[in-house]
Amino acid sequence: DIQLTQSPSFLSASVGDRVTITCRASQGISSILAWYQQKSGKAPKLLIYAASTLQSGVPSRFSGSGSGTEFTLTISSLQPEDFATYYCQQLNSFPLTFGGGTKVEIK
Amino acid sequence: EVQLAESGGGLVQPGGSLRLSCATSGFTFSDHYIDWVRQAPGKGLEWVSRTRNKTKGYTTEYAASVKGRFTISRDASENSLYLQMNSLKTEDTAVYYCARVRWAQGSSSCDYWGQGTLVTVSS
Repeated sequence: DIQLTQSPSFLSASVGDRVTITCRASQGISSILAWYQQKSGKAPKLLIYAASTLQSGVPSRFSGSGSGTEFTLTISSLQPEDFATYYCQQLNSFPLTFGGGTKVEIK
Repeated sequence: EVQLAESGGGLVQPGGSLRLSCATSGFTFSDHYIDWVRQAPGKGLEWVSRTRNKTKGYTTEYAASVKGRFTISRDASENSLYLQMNSLKTEDTAVYYCARVRWAQGSSSCDYWGQGTLVTVSS
């Protein structure tokens, strides 16, 4: 199974900060990775697919990069509505796996 | 508008069975793969199962933790997806989501999700 390790697991930041979350895969997955945002009590929301393509309707302050085994999700200027938990998911091979999540909280 | 809505969750004893439903609308059901993903209370996301589209013969995949106990199926006439869960264990307690899979740029992702249904396995 492909393990995804997200770091950090918890992040405290202020509105306007630039935030970067890393997702490392235990083996190469090309660019077959997605990023999701989940707010408390809600379903996940797709932000980025194919490692770097912004989902329609998602603000441009979100961006993704990477390929192979190392990926990043960047929020260029954190907004109040961005405080949530973020997950990466590899869809390269079964079983599909998620990272452990990164909770972004207000400093 | 694409919509997915899960139902069928509830309280069940260990060893029992439950069938979850996922009603869909707003897209061509037979064209899309669909996943089940679950989330135990206070924990992260866990992929459970996938059904491929009609072109791929509605073939299926399962996580090792549920293989042999859970069965994913579809009713194309109802545009609905099901997850039959047998021999339930306490560790199956979770919110279960169905999610539409979209292929783009050589990669899949779950672009629409239902609101989830809670399954509690407890005596």
